[in-house]
Amino acid sequence: QSALTQPASVSGSPGQSITISCTGTSSDVGGDNFVSWYQQHPGKAPKVVIYEVTVRPSGVSTRFSGSKSGNTASLTISGLQAEDEADYYCCSFTADKTRIFGGGTKLTVL
Amino acid sequence: QVQLQEAGPRVVKPSETLSLTCTVSGGSIVSFYWSWIRQSPRKGLEWIGYVSYIETKYNPSLKDRVSISMDTSKKQLSMRLTSVTAADTAVYYCARDRSLSAWFEPWGQGALVTVSS
Repeated sequence: QSALTQPASVSGSPGQSITISCTGTSSDVGGDNFVSWYQQHPGKAPKVVIYEVTVRPSGVSTRFSGSKSGNTASLTISGLQAEDEADYYCCSFTADKTRIFGGGTKLTVL
Repeated sequence: QVQLQEAGPRVVKPSETLSLTCTVSGGSIVSFYWSWIRQSPRKGLEWIGYVSYIETKYNPSLKDRVSISMDTSKKQLSMRLTSVTAADTAVYYCARDRSLSAWFEPWGQGALVTVSS
């Protein structure tokens, strides 16, 4: 079970938009619409920002959005703010009912 | 709201068994799935497995060494990992697992476990 593929790092200036990709296979990301995204600040537990590909939990900023095409899911953050600087991880349900995470992406707000 | 708290030894010797518990407060334990997840600098987040009232499921790469159980009377989850090595050094989290949708919320604060002699 290999980790889903994410870019190691992305960066953007305040106010800009960035997109983080998460690539898997037809047995995970490309299967059902069960991809979630997590934000993790240093020393803190991860926090869900998107689930079921596009759904934003209550309390999460509308600047966070998710999408999927084929075996690749994406997280977009618009109107970047300093507080968005964190690590981001994707996670997918798999065909054998397990879960698999991406390797993580470090977002730097310039 | 539901809160989770991990507990257990923070240092384990190589070849021994790592044991952690997670106490659930503020909600039902039997109505949900619960996952253990770990995070090491080398491997990022890694799903270990889940337990529910009716089933367990493990990461194929760990299934020969891990067992997860639920004690409904204590509202606790337990995770045991046998024959540990330095590669098992990580922060271990418990989290509520939204079963078929496979997303996690909330998470415990995490417990750093170091494998060292």
